Amino acid sequence: QSALTQPASVSGSPGQSITISCTGTSSDVGGYNSVSWYQQHPSKAPKVMIYDVSKRPSGVSNRFSGSKSGNTASLTISGLQAEDEADYYCCSYGGSSNYVFGTGTKVTIL
Amino acid sequence: QVQLVQSGAEVKKPGASVMVSCKTSGNSFSNYYVHWVRQAPGQGLEWMGVLFPSGIETNFAQDFQGRVTLTRDTSTSTVYMEISSLRSEDTAVYYCATEVPNTGWFDPWGQGTLVTVSS
Repeated sequence: QSALTQPASVSGSPGQSITISCTGTSSDVGGYNSVSWYQQHPSKAPKVMIYDVSKRPSGVSNRFSGSKSGNTASLTISGLQAEDEADYYCCSYGGSSNYVFGTGTKVTIL
Repeated sequence: QVQLVQSGAEVKKPGASVMVSCKTSGNSFSNYYVHWVRQAPGQGLEWMGVLFPSGIETNFAQDFQGRVTLTRDTSTSTVYMEISSLRSEDTAVYYCATEVPNTGWFDPWGQGTLVTVSS
């Protein structure tokens, strides 16, 4: 399976909202409600921010939200803060116990 | 709270094999899927494969089939990932991560193990 497509970079000012897209196919994103999003700071392990398209794990800020339409999932970060500057990856179940990650998006706070 | 601790960095020559360990403190691996994900320098995350709670059944991304082996030692709560026939393109940080069965998300993750393949 090919990597899911994400924009290479997205930027925003503190307090603003940004949205990161994640485009796949009907065999992954469009076929299952099993999309998760991970935040990764430099030299750190990824951390789950969203699962099952739009659910937040305990302890994750409600400034993070997820959605999906067709073959494209989205992560929205509202009220941008300095600590949100990181790389973000989407991940989708692809059937038959396979998973695929997105290409990754670097979020920059202006 | 489950924590995953991985083995230290490795330097290997092309053609060699490497084994990376992932030890859990907390719940037994028998209750989880254990996934492996790698990240080449400056690149994105790449899903490699998964060891099922049985400790026997596995599934791999096509690029890793036949070259990666996943095993488990229940007595030490440790999962092992071995890659054979290493090439320079295998230079990456390798992560293990657990999944509660059939939930589709990975948490927690190990701290990562850097494997460098160089002649």
